[in-house]
Amino acid sequence: EAGVTQSPTHLIKTRGQQVTLRCSPISGHTSVYWYQQALGLGLQFLLWYDEGEERNRGNFPPRFSGRQFPNYSSELNVNALELEDSALYLCASSPGAGLEQYFGPGTRLTVT
Amino acid sequence: GENVEQHPSTLSVQEGDSAVIKCTYSDSASNYFPWYKQELGKRPQLIIDIRSNVGEKKDQRIAVTLNKTAKHFSLHITETQPEDSAVYFCAASNNFNKFYFGSGTKLNVKP
Repeated sequence: EAGVTQSPTHLIKTRGQQVTLRCSPISGHTSVYWYQQALGLGLQFLLWYDEGEERNRGNFPPRFSGRQFPNYSSELNVNALELEDSALYLCASSPGAGLEQYFGPGTRLTVT
Repeated sequence: GENVEQHPSTLSVQEGDSAVIKCTYSDSASNYFPWYKQELGKRPQLIIDIRSNVGEKKDQRIAVTLNKTAKHFSLHITETQPEDSAVYFCAASNNFNKFYFGSGTKLNVKP
């Protein structure tokens, strides 16, 4: 069974730019979670999508947004990038709400 | 909202010894508590989880205990091996609505 995949693996952007990160869940999984992991820190919950709908979001500004497609893949968009957005962005998929989640390898974003 | 605190931040043990990592949470509505292991440069991997209707769960050398009254849960690793060295994260969730993670514990198992 293929695991959760994310693209790109690494990304370098300039402050003020916009970025789109992508996540493909495990086949059959309908829920996708997004997290930010700053260097040396824990995981901060960003967004949760289930069955194509945004179900909840963490304490992040509106410039962090996303969507989930009919095939359950997901995108995370970050507008007006700031230096402190530099982090590893992880997505996780779950067979559905209420079940365990499995993480992708992450996208390392560097903002200069 | 929920607040999860994790201790210690670093833990060094001799191979074969036991390791215990503790987490506390604030929201009594939290009912799902997973533990993740993250090796350097790799993704977090679920190693064990527990739901609020259970007090203890064991899987080979790994066990998790939950005290709902005191709002804390712990990860126990027995007979530690060098490959157990990693960062361990606890998390708490209310019906999988949001996940709140602890700050992580860096475990170093010395051979």
